[in-house]
This record gives sequence, structure tokens and C-alpha cells, in this order.
Amino acid sequence: QVQLQESGPGLVKPSETLSLTCTVSGGSISSYYWSWIRQPPGKGLEWIGYIYYSGSTNYNPSLKSRVTISVDTSKNQFSLKLSSVTAADTAVYYCAKMNTWFGELSAWFDPWGQGTLVTVSS
Amino acid sequence: QSVLTQPPSASGTPGQRVTISCSGSSSNIGSNTVNWYQQLPGTAPKLLIYSNNQRPSGVPDRFSGSKSGTSASLAISGLQSEDEADYYCAAWDDSFHVFGTGTKVTVL
Repeated sequence: QVQLQESGPGLVKPSETLSLTCTVSGGSISSYYWSWIRQPPGKGLEWIGYIYYSGSTNYNPSLKSRVTISVDTSKNQFSLKLSSVTAADTAVYYCAKMNTWFGELSAWFDPWGQGTLVTVSS
Repeated sequence: QSVLTQPPSASGTPGQRVTISCSGSSSNIGSNTVNWYQQLPGTAPKLLIYSNNQRPSGVPDRFSGSKSGTSASLAISGLQSEDEADYYCAAWDDSFHVFGTGTKVTVL
């Protein structure tokens, strides 16, 4: 079955850009939507955005000005860039596959990657 | 930023039935389906219920979901010690996705 694995630096300096990659194995990235979700330590879940394999995207309005999600179908990967980070962006970042019957706005997330902790600190 | 409200905590003894509520609005739960996720300590969230009341393969039938108007509920019947976890409801709100505030379930 499909498995997802996040990778990227665990420490990012304030004002710099956070960059993460999600590698999809056990299935093709094509024909599906893929999301990034984060969870600050001890807090709840926050959806960051999604990308369709064709490259179309949709972002959380609260992060939209700083977020870019891209896809590389040749590598079966999709990526997250979050610019101008602050300590408030410290979180475990998850990637997840979106599954749906009737389009992306009825989708659920399954499976999830194991998550990767990114700390923003100088 | 969450627009889906859940009680912070719920508890029960083994074998009891526990219900978790999720309150939203006409733009999210009132218009779209609800999904539920279980997050065991130190692990990634896992899909528990999708499309209001559908259980993925492998999820025990002790877990059930329902939706009415702008609210949804997750019920755990026959509570077990391994059900001690955080539970999140989720839905799409217009064109973006929102999670509930989360409920910590404790098995007494």
C-alpha cells in the first residue's frame, strides 16, 4: 500500500525558508491530491495546503502568502516551502494522501507520513 | 483558527460508551462531509471515520460517526485501554480544510 515519508532539515533559522519533501512509495503520485498538515508541539492540527498531481494548488488562507507546494511526478515526490519562518512555525509537519469520492472538497487524509519535527531557532 | 469546536476532554471506564461532539457551521459541517482522526501518543494521526460514518478497513466497529445539521459526533462503544488518544474531527470549509480543536480521551 501507499507509504509517505517526509524529509528535510530539522532546524531552520528565523526569517529563512523551510523546505520539506514528501516521497510517495508503493503507488503513483499521479491522479491524486496530496496535502501538507502541521502540528505545533502540544497543539492541534493545521492544514497547510494541497496539490493535485497536475500542479494545481490550494492553500490555507492564513499561510497563503508564505506557502508554495510543488510536485515532481518523475520522482514521485511533492514538496513544501514556507518562507519567512518564525518560532510560531515550529511544528511536526505531516504529508498525507487525499482520497475522495466526489472531488477534493469531500476528501479525507489517508495515509499520513510519520511526520518530521521542524524547529525554528537561531 | 479552528472553526470546529470539540470538548477538550472525555473519559470513561473500560466497556463504557464515550461520545465526542464536533460543532461547526453551515459553511463546513452543514455543507460537507465530516472525517475523524485518531492520534495515539507520539504517532501520526490515523483515519478513523470518513464521509460522516464510513469506517476504513481495519477500524473496529466500536467506532461510529454521525452528522446532523452543523454538528457531528464520534461514538466509541465498549471503550478499551488502547483507545486512549486524541481525536480530531475535520471538514472542508468553503475551499479550505479545517480540523477540530481536538478531544483527549482518557480510559479510567
